[in-house]
Amino acid sequence: GESVGLHLPTLSVQEGDNSIINCAYSNSASDYFIWYKQESGKGPQFIIDIRSNMDKRQGQRVTVLLNKTVKHLSLQIAATQPGDSAVYFCAEGETGANNLFFGTGTRLTVIP
Amino acid sequence: EAQVTQNPRYLITVTGKKLTVTCSQNMNHEYMSWYRQDPGLGLRQIYYSMNVEVTDKGDVPEGYKVSRKEKRNFPLILESPSPNQTSLYFCASSLMGYSNQPQHFGDGTRLSIL
Repeated sequence: GESVGLHLPTLSVQEGDNSIINCAYSNSASDYFIWYKQESGKGPQFIIDIRSNMDKRQGQRVTVLLNKTVKHLSLQIAATQPGDSAVYFCAEGETGANNLFFGTGTRLTVIP
Repeated sequence: EAQVTQNPRYLITVTGKKLTVTCSQNMNHEYMSWYRQDPGLGLRQIYYSMNVEVTDKGDVPEGYKVSRKEKRNFPLILESPSPNQTSLYFCASSLMGYSNQPQHFGDGTRLSIL
């Protein structure tokens, strides 16, 4: 399957700072990308998605950036809070295919 | 509340004893899928279903069975569990069976096969 990975397995940030979590993908045909948040003992929770016809999308305190040239995706979390501590992972999909491919995740720890 | 519900949440059992993990969604989603999550490997797809009576193998289907007799239910069956199936399992669903839509996940089932 395609390779969906993350640059850093762990990330620690101070409360109130901005967080940036990165993701690299290898399938040039992928045209849909999602970020999930997984808290301990829970299932992955949808955060935000972006399609390949966009390079930026904003949600509440989160922004996803897509750079198709270098096949790179990032999730920015503004004013990180303790409740943001979790594992974050990206997933990629391709129109016409049936499956999403998931990265292994980055653990974000927010230091109070 | 829109949700995907898995049962049981935790199970410890022994090799060879058949078990079923149930999954139910109340969102009228057509697409449902099972994943296993292992440390360092991320989510790997076991089986998926595009709609009722339509199921297909994912990346790691060996040792598992599924059925989709009703739209809302997608049970995962381990006919003869083995220790290498000890893992955290997630059921997910999405509105349509295309990989350009978000999937909604249950809270997981942790299986330990002794």
